[in-house]
Amino acid sequence: EDQVTQSPEALRLQEGESSSLNCSYTVSGLRGLFWYRQDPGKGPEFLFTLYSAGEEKEKERLKATLTKKESFLHITAPKPEDSATYLCAVQARGSTLGRLYFGRGTQLTVWP
Amino acid sequence: GAVVSQHPSWVICKSGTSVKIECRSLDFQATTMFWYRQFPKQSLMLMATSNEGSKATYEQGVEKDKFLINHASLTLSTLTVTSAHPEDSSFYICSASVVGTEAFFGQGTRLTVV
Repeated sequence: EDQVTQSPEALRLQEGESSSLNCSYTVSGLRGLFWYRQDPGKGPEFLFTLYSAGEEKEKERLKATLTKKESFLHITAPKPEDSATYLCAVQARGSTLGRLYFGRGTQLTVWP
Repeated sequence: GAVVSQHPSWVICKSGTSVKIECRSLDFQATTMFWYRQFPKQSLMLMATSNEGSKATYEQGVEKDKFLINHASLTLSTLTVTSAHPEDSSFYICSASVVGTEAFFGQGTRLTVV
């Protein structure tokens, strides 16, 4: 059974305090791993797609990395506007294109 | 990125009535759309896969007679919650993919059944 586990469930950081979010996955053949940001009452906003172990992608203060078992979302010098829930999702080979299995997310709060 | 528009953003209805939620792909054609449900502080749970011109595929445990899905065109899928009850209150989100790219999500619909 395909599974996605995110940790921690919640993370509080002071502005400028770097940290990492973890996404562990078990999937029968990975087609892609996705990171999304979700603000309260909104739909998920796409951040990154990673396809193979060793791949890395960056966007502003965020950097996503991928191994064969997990992915990390590194946040460097976060700002209060980075506060949101970060969702990890996987797409399995052989599944309908676009069908995603989500983790529960990490709720990030960055305080000034 | 591609834009997916969902309407309405929120709706309040009386118990026993039906509610329709629309999901449109604005700048691309989506042969497949997905409907998710999200409870507070929980992840997105896939309800069904909506296929243009054919019947939707429902996930195990999702009542297809309660959650009617229609995908009449390449840019529009609708989810109708029939005979809604308070336990159907939730956040419903649709998504669509362009071939070879990531999924794009609508803004979500907050349904409250009173």
